[in-house]
Amino acid sequence: AQKVTQAQTEISVVEKEDVTLDCVYETRDTTYYLFWYKQPPSGELVFLIRRNSFDEQNEISGRYSWNFQKSTSSFNFTITASQVVDSAVYFCALKTSYDKVIFGPGTSLSVIP
Amino acid sequence: DVKVTQSSRYLVKRTGEKVFLECVQDMDHENMFWYRQDPGLGLRLIYFSYDVKMKEKGDIPEGYSVSREKKERFSLILESASTNQTSMYLCASSAGQLRSPLHFGNGTRLTVT
Repeated sequence: AQKVTQAQTEISVVEKEDVTLDCVYETRDTTYYLFWYKQPPSGELVFLIRRNSFDEQNEISGRYSWNFQKSTSSFNFTITASQVVDSAVYFCALKTSYDKVIFGPGTSLSVIP
Repeated sequence: DVKVTQSSRYLVKRTGEKVFLECVQDMDHENMFWYRQDPGLGLRLIYFSYDVKMKEKGDIPEGYSVSREKKERFSLILESASTNQTSMYLCASSAGQLRSPLHFGNGTRLTVT
């Protein structure tokens, strides 16, 4: 079975705090990609970052960083120094073929000024 | 930047009406998708298409059909709208590689009364 779990339904942080969004996935495929998307109140899902199943190197891009651990099937996403504009629903997604994308249920992040 | 355009942001239709939701992408992507998004249920795939005139059922195809006569355009059709089809509908496109993310339109909020 293939599944993506985001255990955190809602998170609230105060502006400038760091926040980590958790994602755990299940798949038997050895080749896959993981993605994070952001859905602001306007509604459009926007692609943020991706990681392939062969590269466990953690990366940082601006205020975003991500931690991929194959041993625990986790792909966590951290926003450093959060801002009000980061308030959105964040989706983790697993892609195992060109046509198969499994989304997690989403985590709603509220950044309070 | 990839542009995925959905023809309507909001639609209100009556039960039994035939409804067309249109989606156009400008990046020559092979794959196009229709999802619906409902609170508590996340994103669910209705149909996808990997080429002109080709379509595959997703997880919840009942009550829907699709049309892809041109590569850039993917239409979702509700043959006889029902109130349980009130939802947010999201169109997406992607290139054919595993690493390619989905690019989403702004969504169409459909209300069936």
